[in-house]
Amino acid sequence: SQTIHQWPATLVQPVGSPLSLECTVEGTSNPNLYWYRQAAGRGLQLLFYSVGIGQISSEVPQNLSASRPQDRQFILSSKKLLLSDSGFYLCAWSFARDTQYFGPGTRLTVL
Amino acid sequence: DAKTTQPTSMDCAEGRAANLPCNHSTISGNEYVYWYRQIHSQGPQYIIHGLKNNETNEMASLIITEDRKSSTLILPHATLRDTAVYYCIVRRLPTGNQFYFGTGTSLTVIP
Repeated sequence: SQTIHQWPATLVQPVGSPLSLECTVEGTSNPNLYWYRQAAGRGLQLLFYSVGIGQISSEVPQNLSASRPQDRQFILSSKKLLLSDSGFYLCAWSFARDTQYFGPGTRLTVL
Repeated sequence: DAKTTQPTSMDCAEGRAANLPCNHSTISGNEYVYWYRQIHSQGPQYIIHGLKNNETNEMASLIITEDRKSSTLILPHATLRDTAVYYCIVRRLPTGNQFYFGTGTSLTVIP
């Protein structure tokens, strides 16, 4: 069966510091991968998606970037965090554009 | 993707069936109805999806009306661990990358 991992689970970072969140998927090959952000009390916003190694599509302009160095690894990064980057970050995977399965999430607080 | 309307909150007694309604009156013929739930501080969990026939799995049943303008998610024997926010989503496959999560229904299972 497939498993999706995210780390860290929680993170507190000062404004202006860099960010690296990692997501890995086990038990599948060539998945579609997604990064979402959920602000407090709001719905999920798609940030990036990837259909293959090195292929990244950005849904909204922002302070963040994504990379996919390996088939089952998806990384969310920032060079300098803003207060507005605080939120709950979720990684998800799917077969093609089928049902998406979400990871446990990373709660980021920028102070 | 079509919009959905769900009640903001519901209560259900432990051991009873929880029936969560969703209206999607503008749904088109090639859009599926998906249900996810999100337990506090966790990633969304896929529950079930369907096109026009009723569906059942180990977690729940999905009843879709004949005109497809509404559906009901049924948790047959609710437990305290079913307390979560339940999201009804309609999505066209295979186009589109994002699942649009609205505000959902906050279900509280009462002992």
